[in-house]
Amino acid sequence: QVQLQESGPGLVKPSETLSLTCTVSGGSISRYYWSWIRQPPGKGLEWIGYVSYSGRTNYNPSLKSRVTISLDTSKNQFSLKLSSVTAADTAIYYCARDTPSGIDYWGQGTLVTVSS
Amino acid sequence: QLVLTQSPSASASPGASVKLTCTLSSGHSSYAIAWHQQQPEKGPRYLMKLNSDGSHSKGDGIPDRFSGSSSGAERYLTISSLQSEDEADYYCQTWGTGTVVFGGGTKLTVL
Repeated sequence: QVQLQESGPGLVKPSETLSLTCTVSGGSISRYYWSWIRQPPGKGLEWIGYVSYSGRTNYNPSLKSRVTISLDTSKNQFSLKLSSVTAADTAIYYCARDTPSGIDYWGQGTLVTVSS
Repeated sequence: QLVLTQSPSASASPGASVKLTCTLSSGHSSYAIAWHQQQPEKGPRYLMKLNSDGSHSKGDGIPDRFSGSSSGAERYLTISSLQSEDEADYYCQTWGTGTVVFGGGTKLTVL
């Protein structure tokens, strides 16, 4: 059974960079695509971007200028960096596995609050 | 532009059936989608992949009460024998070249 676990600071100051890591267990990260998705409080799901098993990335155009997603195959992890954050970036952040069947495994999510 | 449209809310009684709809934008009627369930205060859970021909493959441990079907650009999720634990938000999701898209979600109330 594949499991994903997000980790990182729960509080980030405005204008700083949000950094999260997703650790994958029960399966290799050297296959499929690996996505970050967020959900502002009380709202729907927003795809942030993904990294492929080969390190190729694609991002949501609305966030592209501020997002970097990378892969660390040696640790079976992938990471998210979102720069110049504002209060609008406050959300639960999920990591997920993206396959030809859609997103089929999700992490439990981690709340990141942007506040001074 | 690839867009998924869902009704904001639906309701049904325990023991009844409900059919939720997800509509693909014009020009994308052949696309497969995935359905996800998000119970209150929990993360999303993958339910199934649903193809344009109505064939579907469910995720691990998803009960037989959950099924999918398709008609044109519409993708459906049917939940039969509704239980209180089915009260949740349901999201459809699809993918294109270099992108992933979510519908706005349907909040299902089991009255």
